[in-house]
Amino acid sequence: AQKVTQAQTEISVVEKEDVTLDCVYETRDTTYYLFWYKQPPSGELVFLIRRNSFDEQNEISGRYSWNFQKSTSSFNFTITASQVVDSAVYFCALSYGGATNKLIFGTGTLLAVQP
Amino acid sequence: KAGVTQTPRYLIKTRGQQVTLSCSPISGHRSVSWYQQTPGQGLQFLFEYFSETQRNKGNFPGRFSGRQFSNSRSEMNVSTLELGDSALYLCATSGGTEAFFGQGTRLTVV
Repeated sequence: AQKVTQAQTEISVVEKEDVTLDCVYETRDTTYYLFWYKQPPSGELVFLIRRNSFDEQNEISGRYSWNFQKSTSSFNFTITASQVVDSAVYFCALSYGGATNKLIFGTGTLLAVQP
Repeated sequence: KAGVTQTPRYLIKTRGQQVTLSCSPISGHRSVSWYQQTPGQGLQFLFEYFSETQRNKGNFPGRFSGRQFSNSRSEMNVSTLELGDSALYLCATSGGTEAFFGQGTRLTVV
């Protein structure tokens, strides 16, 4: 079965703190993709990153970084020096079988960054 | 480059009615998927269309249907609306790599 688990329902931090959002996935496929999306109050899901199952290199983009570990089936997302504008719901998602537009989402983590 | 456009943004319908939602993809994107987002069930995949053919289907009843036109625009139809169909319906389009989402249509069934 394919599944994505985001155990953290809500996280609250103070501005400038670092925060890590956890994501654990399950799949029997050897070829799959992992994604992170941000959903601000407006509702649109904003694409942040895509990772394929053969690329375990960590990635950094500005204040954002992602840690992909196949050994633990995890794809965690860290925001360094958080800002109020980072407040949103963050979703981790999985696609498999070569499909990139059929996503299985986790339940999301609501991040609240207090000024 | 224009993003994914969904219309209308908000809808209020009565139980038993039917509704049609529209999604215009990013230029060049041939894959269009639909998702339902509710507080209880989260984000769930409805179906995907590619080149006017349904390519993947989620676990939803037959009241939920869709189609795609030759210009890749897609419509989603829900017949015999139920209160539980109240949700944010999101459309995502893809050119083969990541999927980009529209702002969604907020459907309220009363």
